[in-house]
Amino acid sequence: DAGVIQSPRHEVTEMGQEVTLRCKPISGHDYLFWYRQTMMRGLELLIYFNNNVPIDDSGMPEDRFSAKMPNASFSTLKIQPSEPRDSAVYFCASSSSGQGLQPQHFGDGTRLSIL
Amino acid sequence: AQSVTQLGSHVSVSEGALVLLRCNYSSSVPPYLFWYVQYPNQGLQLLLKYTSAATLVKGINGFEAEFKKSETSFHLTKPSAHMSDAAEYFCAVSAGGFKTIFGAGTRLFVKA
Repeated sequence: DAGVIQSPRHEVTEMGQEVTLRCKPISGHDYLFWYRQTMMRGLELLIYFNNNVPIDDSGMPEDRFSAKMPNASFSTLKIQPSEPRDSAVYFCASSSSGQGLQPQHFGDGTRLSIL
Repeated sequence: AQSVTQLGSHVSVSEGALVLLRCNYSSSVPPYLFWYVQYPNQGLQLLLKYTSAATLVKGINGFEAEFKKSETSFHLTKPSAHMSDAAEYFCAVSAGGFKTIFGAGTRLFVKA
């Protein structure tokens, strides 16, 4: 079975540039989560969707961050303009339950470096 | 609201020794509890989960965890560590329909 697929795996760009991270969840999963992982702050939930609708975006750090889920098989996380402090590993995860009964399945992440 | 605390950001054991990673949770309703493992350059993978059935939960790779309500704990154990167990381990809690909360993680080092 295909797992959660994220692209790109690595992204290096200069500050001020727009960055778009992509995610394909597991087919049939109707919850999708975006996380950010850093040494200082650990794993942070940025936003999650249910049936393509954003449910909780309270973790999105600033207006520079936006996320969309145009259909059940694709989501994007966009940073515009990017800043060095956005450097982190960004994970996408999907689940068949947002109530926590079912585990989340994580992609391998996108390692983002903003110079 | 719920929370989870992992005691010890780093744990070091010798190969063949017992592995014990500690996790305490706080929840006002019966929780669901999870342990995940993260290997370098990979996402988190589920090790095991507790969802109110048996209090002793067995997972993959020989790991198990025991839910102790009186102690609000869900510690992860493995009788004999292997070099391949070196990774970061995350405890997570979910309760009452709220989002899953992850602990800060414990990095396990295994010495030959």
